[in-house]
Amino acid sequence: KNQVEQSPQSLIILEGKNCTLQCNYTVSPFSNLRWYKQDTGRGPVSLTIMTFSENTKSNGRYTATLDADTKQSSLHITASQLSDSASYICVVSRSNDYKLSFGAGTTVTVRA
Amino acid sequence: GAVVSQHPSRVICKSGTSVKIECRSLDFQATTMFWYRQFPKQSLMLMATSNEGSKATYEQGVEKDKFLINHASLTLSTLTVTSAHPEDSSFYICSATPTWNTEAFFGQGTRLTVV
Repeated sequence: KNQVEQSPQSLIILEGKNCTLQCNYTVSPFSNLRWYKQDTGRGPVSLTIMTFSENTKSNGRYTATLDADTKQSSLHITASQLSDSASYICVVSRSNDYKLSFGAGTTVTVRA
Repeated sequence: GAVVSQHPSRVICKSGTSVKIECRSLDFQATTMFWYRQFPKQSLMLMATSNEGSKATYEQGVEKDKFLINHASLTLSTLTVTSAHPEDSSFYICSATPTWNTEAFFGQGTRLTVV
């Protein structure tokens, strides 16, 4: 069973609308949680990285939250743009070996 | 931010031939590089961890004789898919971690098609 579960698997939103992606993890011991954006046929690009003590972090229109107690994270996209269409991947790092565990990603499609 | 360059971005090869993929950290040194494989609509799967100057560590189920990894310098790691078969067709991605932190920077990926 994957240690990082993302939902929904995919979603379609209209340009200008907001959306929230979810990530639940069981990785332990926890080091940090990262959200990446991956365009089709490209490598992932980092959006945010959060450690245990951080509850929220923003990067432009992207805001990530982390609840280390419940082992849940969310990525909120505000005022979506067509260029936001991509796969968003939640990645959790372990503190003992820094090994990365990847979620399957949420595919976001923004339509005009 | 740190840049990782992967080359080629796309390659088509005949079955039975070998293909080499390069992963370079352009503006930082990386003692550790990682190689991943990604199938459509699936997450990245770690294939191996490449350490400069030593043998790569392969994940369970990954054939080390088929996927040869060389990490000869602090800025370059190569993955060679030997005797490629159509089932090796996939998207291969590398990542590099700077010596000064644990952030992972990814290359742009290589689409391998074996015909």
